[in-house]
Amino acid sequence: NAGVTQTPKFRILKIGQSMTLQCTQDMNHNYMYWYRQDPGMGLKLIYYSVGAGITDKGEVPNGYNVSRSTTEDFPLRLELAAPSQTSVYFCASTAWGVTGELFFGEGSRLTVL
Amino acid sequence: KNEVEQSPQNLTAQEGEFITINCSYSVGISALHWLQQHPGGGIVSLFMLSSGKKKHGRLIATINIQEKHSSLHITASHPRDSAVYICAVVIQGAQKLVFGQGTRLTINP
Repeated sequence: NAGVTQTPKFRILKIGQSMTLQCTQDMNHNYMYWYRQDPGMGLKLIYYSVGAGITDKGEVPNGYNVSRSTTEDFPLRLELAAPSQTSVYFCASTAWGVTGELFFGEGSRLTVL
Repeated sequence: KNEVEQSPQNLTAQEGEFITINCSYSVGISALHWLQQHPGGGIVSLFMLSSGKKKHGRLIATINIQEKHSSLHITASHPRDSAVYICAVVIQGAQKLVFGQGTRLTINP
C-alpha cells in the first residue's frame, strides 16, 4: 500500500520558473492538503480539497494553484517561482477531514535561486 | 504569541530515560494530533485525541481540555525515537489544523 506519494523529492528552480509538485494517494481519501514547512515554524496550509472538483485556499495560497480532477491526484502548481517559496512541501490526506488520521507524503524540498 | 506552543524546542536525553514533550494552546479545539517527523523528513501520525489518554507501545499521550494542555510521553527511550515531534490542534468548529513548531528529540546511546 503506497499511501501518499509525492514527487519530486528535491528540486532547484530559478526565479520566475514554474513547476508542479505531484501528489497521489491510493486510499480513496476525499480530503487532501498541501502544507509548507519553513525552518522553526509550524506547517502552514496552502490549499486543500474536500473531494474531486472542489478546492479552497488555506492560510498561504499566494503564488500557488491547485486542481483536483480525480480523487487520487492533487497537484500543486508554482507559477513564477520566488525565493520566498523555498521550503519543504508536504501533501497529506485523510478519510474524513482533520479529525481523522492524517497521512503525509515524504515531502518535497524546493529551493528557488 | 503562537496559538500552539511546544516545549522544550530541543531535548537531548540518554537511552532509557522517560521523556515528556508538552503542547499548550490558546484556542478552543475539538481534537489534537501528535505527529512524528523522521530525520529523513517524512511525517507519521502517532495519536489523535480529544480527551483523556491514549497509549501505543512505549508512547503515551494525554490531554487536559480545561487546562489547554497535552503531553507526549516516551518510556524507556531509544535512539530510534530521535525525531521531531509535532503537536497540531483542530480548531473548534472549523476544519482547520494549527501546528506547533515541533520539538527536536535526540536520544543518545
